[in-house]
Formats: sequence, C-alpha cells, structure tokens
Amino acid sequence: GPKVLQIPSHQIIDMGQMVTLNCDPVSNHLYFYWYKQILGQQMEFLVNFYNGKVMEKSKLFKDQFSVERPDGSYFTLKIQPTALEDSAVYFCASSLHGTSEVFFGKGTRLTVV
Amino acid sequence: GDSVTQTEGQVALSEEDFLTIHCNYSASGYPALFWYVQYPGEGPQFLFRASRDKEKGSSRGFEATYDKGTTSFHLRKASVQESDSAVYYCALGEGNAGAKLTFGGGTRLTVRP
Repeated sequence: GPKVLQIPSHQIIDMGQMVTLNCDPVSNHLYFYWYKQILGQQMEFLVNFYNGKVMEKSKLFKDQFSVERPDGSYFTLKIQPTALEDSAVYFCASSLHGTSEVFFGKGTRLTVV
Repeated sequence: GDSVTQTEGQVALSEEDFLTIHCNYSASGYPALFWYVQYPGEGPQFLFRASRDKEKGSSRGFEATYDKGTTSFHLRKASVQESDSAVYYCALGEGNAGAKLTFGGGTRLTVRP
C-alpha cells in the first residue's frame, strides 16, 4: 500500500540545538500531519498542513516548532531550540483529502540529551 | 476538549478467543470514529472507520458499531489469531481542513498460540 517515509528513524541531539525531521508523504496526497508520542503515552496531534499553510495546530506545537514543504519535496518539522521534553517519537502522516484515510510513517525517535 | 478513553490497557488471550476492546469518546460535535492498529516498529495503520450513528465499520474480521447514545465504538473480533497481536488505537476525527485525529491511550493485545 501507500507508504510514508520518515528520515531518520532515530536522532540524538544536544539540548538547545536545532533538529529537522524529514517526511516523504504519499506522492499524490495533499494534507500532511505531525503527531507526537511520548514513551508510554498516547499519540497526540501537533499540526496539519495544506496548500502550503498550517491549517490547525495544537497547544503542543510550541513557538519553537515550524513546518514546511518547500517545492513539493520533504514535509519537515523543525524544532529550534530543542528542549528535553521534546524527546518523543514523531509520526508524520498524509491523506489525499481532509476526510480520507490517513497514512502514517514509522516515526522518528528523537532523543534530546 | 474532545477525548477518547480505552478501558483496557492490555489484553491477553488465546487463539480463537473472542476479543472486545472498549472505546468511549467525548466530543462536542459529530465526529468520525476510527480504529488503528500498530505493529512493532511501524506507524499506526488504518483499520476502519464509521461516520454515522449505528454505522458498522469492519476489516480483517474486526468490527465496531458507532453508538451515539452510549458514545461508544467498541472493537470486537470473534476469533483472534496470534498474528493479531499488536496495539490497537481508537480515535475520533474532526475538522474540515484536514483530519485531526484524537487518539485513545491504546490497548496492547497479546494472543498466545
């Protein structure tokens, strides 16, 4: 079936540094999402993105977070600067329409030390 | 805000047992309801959805019926197999500008051969 690819699968970064998580969504999809899952907790919505704009973001989407998809390439989540509480697995997802099936990637495990 | 509660954090069964995982939701609107399954090392995979009261969703022998009266969407399967071992997430979805999924805490299903 359709695949969402996330690169890298695991990233370790020093607190205060910048990190960019990359996502290659399903090729014809138009809606893109990031979710955050802290170990042992439920998955939580961060942001959705359509037509080059953030449509909705949650309280977890702090000012240090940003997303973009320049020229139809990777859909990225940038955190600058990182904090210890940003350690989690970040899942990228995409869907063709706003109400259609959402496909998830395998996640990027971010460890901030 | 909206929320999803899964009663069982873990379920252990033997092959051919009957499965029930309870899911209740709280939402201000009339959300779509989903079940996702997550295998180790993978992202969540869409199982099925239901969008209206009394609608039944089903896939791979799993089924659930949208019950607006009891605000529930319980997952059932008549006869589980070892390969069904995974984490199951109930979720509700809303938003016209891209699906914003609110997940439950997940239920880890372990099926013994």
